[in-house]
Amino acid sequence: AQSVTQLDSQVPVFEEAPVELRCNYSSSVSVYLFWYVQYPNQGLQLLLKYLSGSTLVKGINGFEAEFNKSQTSFHLRKPSVHISDTAEYFCAVTSASSGYSTLTFGKGTMLLVSP
Amino acid sequence: GAVVSQHPSWVICKSGTSVKIECRSLDFQATTMFWYRQFPKQSLMLMATSNEGSKATYEQGVEKDKFLINHASLTLSTLTVTSAHPEDSSFYICSARDSGGGGGNEQFFGPGTRLTVL
Repeated sequence: AQSVTQLDSQVPVFEEAPVELRCNYSSSVSVYLFWYVQYPNQGLQLLLKYLSGSTLVKGINGFEAEFNKSQTSFHLRKPSVHISDTAEYFCAVTSASSGYSTLTFGKGTMLLVSP
Repeated sequence: GAVVSQHPSWVICKSGTSVKIECRSLDFQATTMFWYRQFPKQSLMLMATSNEGSKATYEQGVEKDKFLINHASLTLSTLTVTSAHPEDSSFYICSARDSGGGGGNEQFFGPGTRLTVL
């Protein structure tokens, strides 16, 4: 079985400060990992994904994430946030146990950027 | 590329009526589409996997007779909420996987449909 834990339900941060959103996954087999962003009343937009290769993955809007197999983590980072980054962020996993067919989402982390 | 649309974007209906939501892949073919449900301030819960030309695969606890899924073509899947009740009010999001392999196993998400049952 595959599962995702996002430890922080809400992360407040000031504009231009760095931020890290935490994600831990659970799977006994090989995984693919994703980070999505959701703005109010909208669908999900892919920020970045890890399939294989380099463990440091760069995405859109200046976000990056690092796959750490030993710690089963895939934390999302941005060195300097903007007001417009205020949104809900979801970490998701798919694994060989599901044939890489279904995504399991974390509960989400609300990033609140204030001036 | 890889755009998924949903229609309608929002719908309000009376209790007991049925509502159909469409999910279309606009610039790619999708043999597999997914339907999710999202309650306010909660995560996405997979309801079912929609397979073109065959029956959908429902997740445990999802009533297949209440949430009818049809995937009649490679670009269209529909979700019909039958005899809707207020507890069915939610945000329904679909996603599609590119059959041609574009994007790997990535799912491309639609903008969602807000259903309110009075």
